[in-house]
Amino acid sequence: AQSVTQLDSQVPVFEEAPVELRCNYSSSVSVYLFWYVQYPNQGLQLLLKYLSGSTLVESINGFEAEFNKSQTSFHLRKPSVHISDTAEYFCAVSRQGGATNKLIFGTGTLLAVQP
Amino acid sequence: DAGVIQSPRHEVTEMGQEVTLRCKPISGHNSLFWYRQTMMRGLELLIYFNNNVPIDDSGMPEDRFSAKMPNASFSTLKIQPSEPRDSAVYFCASRIIPSGANVLTFGAGSRLTVL
Repeated sequence: AQSVTQLDSQVPVFEEAPVELRCNYSSSVSVYLFWYVQYPNQGLQLLLKYLSGSTLVESINGFEAEFNKSQTSFHLRKPSVHISDTAEYFCAVSRQGGATNKLIFGTGTLLAVQP
Repeated sequence: DAGVIQSPRHEVTEMGQEVTLRCKPISGHNSLFWYRQTMMRGLELLIYFNNNVPIDDSGMPEDRFSAKMPNASFSTLKIQPSEPRDSAVYFCASRIIPSGANVLTFGAGSRLTVL
């Protein structure tokens, strides 16, 4: 079975500062990895995903995440955050291949950007 | 595309009453998930369907919960009888299998309060 650990429940940061949200996963087989974002009173939206190929993946709004197989990590980073990035961020994992693979989410990290 | 549509958006009911939550997945999506989100337990997978067939219902809390998917465009999650501890936001999400690489599209959620 797969599992995800997000070590930080909340990360406060000042506007324009860099940020890293940590995610570690556990799996005995190859995985897909995802970051989803949830703005207040909304559903989750896909931010970025790693399926295969380049270990560094980017989103359209400046976030990036790097798949590190040896450390079983998929940390999310942004060099300069905006107030509008305030949201809850969820890391998720699923086993590669097959239609019966479910998506398992971490407990989430609240990114609180302060002016 | 209207996205995943959930109803009702908010439901307040009294303990012991029956609650029915509804979900319309994205047209063409053939896999559907129900998740529950609470502060204490985060995002929990309750059940998911592939091609209208339940694949994994191990996350359904107990016999008071039931889910159906009578056709490709409609699913229900029923709680009978409801209890205060069922208060949560319930999300429905859909995907395409096998080509969708496990990317889920979420609805806006149904916020349930059981008094």
